[in-house]
Amino acid sequence: DIQMTQSPSSLSASVGDRVTITCRASQYINNYLHWYQQKPGQAPKLLISAASTLQSGVPPRFGGSGSGTEFSLTITGLQPEDFATYFCQQSYRTSITFGQGTRLELK
Amino acid sequence: QVQLEESGPGLVRPSETLSLTCTVSGASINGKTYYWSWVRQSPGKGLEWIGYIYYTGDNSYNPSLESRVSISTDTSKNQFSLRLDSVTAADTAVYYCASLGSGGYNYFFDHWGQGALVTVSS
Repeated sequence: DIQMTQSPSSLSASVGDRVTITCRASQYINNYLHWYQQKPGQAPKLLISAASTLQSGVPPRFGGSGSGTEFSLTITGLQPEDFATYFCQQSYRTSITFGQGTRLELK
Repeated sequence: QVQLEESGPGLVRPSETLSLTCTVSGASINGKTYYWSWVRQSPGKGLEWIGYIYYTGDNSYNPSLESRVSISTDTSKNQFSLRLDSVTAADTAVYYCASLGSGGYNYFFDHWGQGALVTVSS
């Protein structure tokens, strides 16, 4: 299986801040990397597909980049509704795997 | 708009079989667009892909669960189901059904059910 490692595991920030979450794959995955947001008691929500394609309805303050093995999710100008847990997911191999998650907390 | 809803027992005894059903609306199980999937999340932990089924009947399963898992469809009811045998406490989790869609060669979970908590306990 391809291992996905996110950093940091948790992050404290304030409204209006710019934050970056990193996802590293244990082997080359091209751009087959997707980002999700999950709030407590809810299912994950797809934010970004193919490393950088913003899903319909997702605010433009969310951005994704990267290719190969290193990827990042950046939120520019944090809003109160952005405090949640974020997961990355790879689909390069049939056996789909997720990162362990990054919890974004209000400072 | 694709919607999914999980149903099934919330409590399963150790060594028995976990069975869940996902009812799909807004899309056909027989369609080529989606791979119908199950994902679980243990309390306070991350997400684990369990497997999927395609309209052709082809399956793919997580290697760590493959010996115990089966996913099937009921096209007359537009449903798909999960069966996990010989469960232990480690299988306690929220189980999500989800549609695995694609953009080119990329595959991602674009619609999710609300999740069903299944506890394994005697």
